[in-house]
Amino acid sequence: EVQLLESGGGLAQPGGSLRLSCAASGFTFSTFAMSWVRQAPGKGLEWVSGISVTGGSTFYADSVKGRFTISRDNSKNTVYLQMNSLRAEDTALYYCAKRALEGPTLGGGGFDYWGQGTLVTVSS
Amino acid sequence: QSALTQPASVSGSPGQSITISCTGTSSDVGGYNYVSWYQQHPGKAPRLLIYDVSNRPSGVSDRFSGSKSGNTASLTISGLQAEDEADYYCSSYTSSSTRVFGGGTKVTVL
Repeated sequence: EVQLLESGGGLAQPGGSLRLSCAASGFTFSTFAMSWVRQAPGKGLEWVSGISVTGGSTFYADSVKGRFTISRDNSKNTVYLQMNSLRAEDTALYYCAKRALEGPTLGGGGFDYWGQGTLVTVSS
Repeated sequence: QSALTQPASVSGSPGQSITISCTGTSSDVGGYNYVSWYQQHPGKAPRLLIYDVSNRPSGVSDRFSGSKSGNTASLTISGLQAEDEADYYCSSYTSSSTRVFGGGTKVTVL
């Protein structure tokens, strides 16, 4: 059974940092690209960042570029999101999502498995 | 990276068919056959309904179907059921190798 378990959310001050983790199981982690998607309270989905199977290619939404860094450790079946210079508008439930198709790129396939999310609140 | 455009709400009676549109640009929806659709019930994680414009993952009812014409993709729900009441989101791959979501459509079953 595929499982994605996010952790690391919590309360952070504006300008502060948090590191989110997503532990994956039930599939061959190293052959699937992964993404982070967030949802602000009462709002829609926003793609945040994606990473290729090897970690050699990373991509970011303009809203987080230069502040967030995605990485993965295939030996630990885990993907991370380092979030720096946090702003109030980063407050959201952060989901880890698995690409539906195997392969080296992020294009195509959609996201077939999602975690339950970890809540990030940025407030003073 | 502007969000794709979806109607805020769509409604229909049980048994009817409804269609949700998703409009983007030639840099996303129109440029790739990489549109996906998600269903989200309150308090739940999104569920993949359609990927690559018209493909259904195993386990998804054939009442859900997808299509695309130019810069606009569509999700059709046929034989509308009470459990279809939820929020629906489209998403597309983009020319920047990123993803973009639509603003979401609330489906109400009358």
